[in-house]
Amino acid sequence: EIVMTQSPATLSMSPGERATLSCRANQSVVNNLAWYQQKPGQAPRLLIYATSMRATGIPARFSGSGFGTQFTLTISSLQSEDFAVYYCQQYNDWPRALTFGGGTKVEMK
Amino acid sequence: QLRLQESGPGLVKPSETLSLTCTVSGGSVTINDYYWAWIRQPPGKGLEWIGSIYHSGSTYYNSSLESRVAISIDTSKNQFSLKLSSVTAADTAVYWCARLRGGGDYWGQGTLVTVSS
Repeated sequence: EIVMTQSPATLSMSPGERATLSCRANQSVVNNLAWYQQKPGQAPRLLIYATSMRATGIPARFSGSGFGTQFTLTISSLQSEDFAVYYCQQYNDWPRALTFGGGTKVEMK
Repeated sequence: QLRLQESGPGLVKPSETLSLTCTVSGGSVTINDYYWAWIRQPPGKGLEWIGSIYHSGSTYYNSSLESRVAISIDTSKNQFSLKLSSVTAADTAVYWCARLRGGGDYWGQGTLVTVSS
């Protein structure tokens, strides 16, 4: 099973700052990686797929990068609505299997 | 606009079977290249993929749940369903249905299922 590890668990940031979230796989997932944003009481929202492709309607301040086992989600300038939990998800063996990381909470400092 | 809606009991007794249905509107479950999935999240915890189904009926399950899970699809009703047997308190979670093509671009609002006697 491919295990996804996200770091840090919590990121304390101020609005306007640049946030960098990391996601690591225990084996290569090539570029088959997605990022989600989840706010309390809501379903996850797809932000990024195929490592770096923004989903429909996602602002340009969200960007993804990486390949193989190391991936990054960058939020260039945090807005108030960006404080949430972010999950990465690999789908290298999709549709047979997919796994999520444990999440990074971006909280307001 | 595609919409997914979960339905089913919010309370299930231990050892019984959890049954949920996802009704899809604004689009067809027979769309090619997309799978229909169930994903859950225990209170305060992360996301866990349960399994996926294609409109042909092909299914894939999380290996950790495979012995207890069955996902089916009814294309005539534009619905797909989840059955999870022999539930315990560890199965208490918010259950979502979603559309996947690798990533999940449409999700239902989620339904909390509590396992308790």
